[in-house]
Parts: sequence; structure tokens; C-alpha cells
Amino acid sequence: DIQMTQSPSTLSASVGDRVTITCRASQSISSWLAWYQQKPGTAPKLLIYQASSLESGVPSRFSGSGSGTEFTLTISSLQPDDFATYYCQQYNSYPYTFGQGTKLEIK
Amino acid sequence: EVQLVESGGDLVQPGGSLRLSCAASGFTFTIYSISWFRQAPGMGLEWISYISHTGDTKYYADSVKGRFTVSRDNAENSLYLQMNGLRDEDTAVYYCARDRGHCTGGSCFRYHDSWGQGTLVTVSS
Repeated sequence: DIQMTQSPSTLSASVGDRVTITCRASQSISSWLAWYQQKPGTAPKLLIYQASSLESGVPSRFSGSGSGTEFTLTISSLQPDDFATYYCQQYNSYPYTFGQGTKLEIK
Repeated sequence: EVQLVESGGDLVQPGGSLRLSCAASGFTFTIYSISWFRQAPGMGLEWISYISHTGDTKYYADSVKGRFTVSRDNAENSLYLQMNGLRDEDTAVYYCARDRGHCTGGSCFRYHDSWGQGTLVTVSS
């Protein structure tokens, strides 16, 4: 199975900050990576697919990059609505696997 | 509007069975594959099953293989997850999600663009 490792596990930031979350795969997954946002008690929401493609309706302050084994999710200017947990997921091969999550907290 | 609505979650004893349903609306159900996920309390997301748009192809995570069975009824726009031999560690919120993606070079790559609200399964004596 492909292991996905996110860092950091927790990130404290302020409104207006630029933040970056990193996701590493245990083997190459090309660009078959998605990012999801999840708020407490709700389902995950797709933000980014194919490493860097922004899902329709997602604000442009979210961006993704990377290929192979290293990927990043960047939020250019944090908004109050962005405080949530973020997961990366590889969909290169089954079983699809997720990172452990990064909780973005208000500083 | 794309909607997926899970139901059937309940409290069940270890070794028991449960059948989850996922009702789809707002899109052409018959042309989309669907996946199941779960999230144990306070934990991350786990993919557990995939079913193709025709129902002919199914995949399972090792953690549920041989105990869980996914099926679909395209006439009813519904998806099912039959869970047998339930264990304490199956306690989780279960989500269905619509797959999207594309196929190239004989392989298909699917992410998940719409999710249901989840249904809670609790396995406990």
C-alpha cells in the first residue's frame, strides 16, 4: 500500500497568513493526488484534484502543486472559513490512501 | 444539485450485521462509479470499497474484505454496503462519494467530488 504522510499535523495561523501543507507519498503517484477540507461533523469537501487542478467553486486562494512523491497545498491568505482539517489522498492505485490530516487552527 | 444520502447506521453488537444505503439524486447515477469511506471517531479517513458504474467491478480494503459487500441498483439510484461480522474497530461514520476522474493507458484514476453527510455505525456490546 502507498503510505501518505502529511506535515505538519497541526498548524496555528492567523487570518491573512499564507500557509503551506506538505504531503509525501511512499512511492511515486505521478499527479494522482487530491486535497480535501473537512470541518467538524461534516463530510470532506474536494478542493484540488490531479495535484494542481482547482475544483469548481473553490476559492482561488487555494492552490496545489507537486508530482511524484512531494506535494503541497497552499492557502494564499487565510480566511476565517478556512480553519479546518485538510487531508491529501492518493488515487494512483488501490487501496486509495489518505494522509493523517493537518488541523489548521486559529493562532 | 448532486446529492448522496446515507442511511442505515445503528448500534450493533460485535459479530452482527448491518446494511447501509446510499441514495443518489441530481445526476445520472448509471454512469458514475461510487466509493465508500469511513472515519472512526477522532481519526482520519479510510477508503473501504469501490463499485463501478455497472456494478461489475468491485474493490475492497483488506480491513473489510470478506466481511463487507458493496452492490448497487441503478434502477433505484441506490448503493448498498452489506456489513457482516462487525467488529469494535468498524465503529465509524460511513460515507459514500461519487467518483470522478479519467482513464488513460488502460488505467483509471478516480477522485471523489461529492460526498454524503455520513451515517454512524457503532459496534459495541
